[in-house]
Amino acid sequence: KQEVTQIPAALSVPEGENLVLNCSFTDSAIYNLQWFRQDPGKGLTSLLLIQSSQREQTSGRLNASLDKSSGRSTLYIAASQPGDSATYLCAVICGFNKFYFGSGTKLNVKP
Amino acid sequence: EAQVTQNPRYLITVTGKKLTVTCSQNMNHEYMSWYRQDPGLGLRQIYYSMNVEVTDKGDVPEGYKVSRKEKRNFPLILESPSPNQTSLYFCASRPPGLGAFIDNEQFFGPGTRLTVL
Repeated sequence: KQEVTQIPAALSVPEGENLVLNCSFTDSAIYNLQWFRQDPGKGLTSLLLIQSSQREQTSGRLNASLDKSSGRSTLYIAASQPGDSATYLCAVICGFNKFYFGSGTKLNVKP
Repeated sequence: EAQVTQNPRYLITVTGKKLTVTCSQNMNHEYMSWYRQDPGLGLRQIYYSMNVEVTDKGDVPEGYKVSRKEKRNFPLILESPSPNQTSLYFCASRPPGLGAFIDNEQFFGPGTRLTVL
């Protein structure tokens, strides 16, 4: 069974700092990997989707990488801002249509 | 506006009283799914549906039922709720695409916070 782990569980950084969030998964047979942002009391917002054949995706200040063979993905956030404060979740898609989520990294960016 | 809606957003009920949480999407998506989110456990998939009248179990289907009679709606049914089903529930949908669903992002509803006393 696929297990997804996110480290760290919580992170607090000063505004402007570059940071990396980590996601690891136990079974490398994935179709793709998706990073989400979750704000309190709200649903999940998709940030980036990396197909299994890709190694990275970029959107603005966000860059996500994928190393299937080692079972790892990272989300890099450049020049962090207080508005980036949220919980970040990664999810892998396996077995055609099954999604497995990590428990998230709660990010706090201090002004 | 393209969106996934859930109702109700908050619900407090008692053990054994049947309830239904509705989910609707206006994006003509074929794939829909239900998740529950619990502290420290992340989101876990309950059921998913790849099209009308096609549903399948996720990781934690026990105690839940679903139906998919129309493409836009995917209700979650708890026939006899128990306190261990207290959780935050999310519905999601995804468009079809090349490679049979593997390329497209999922869109989530705002969540339903359920408390079973």
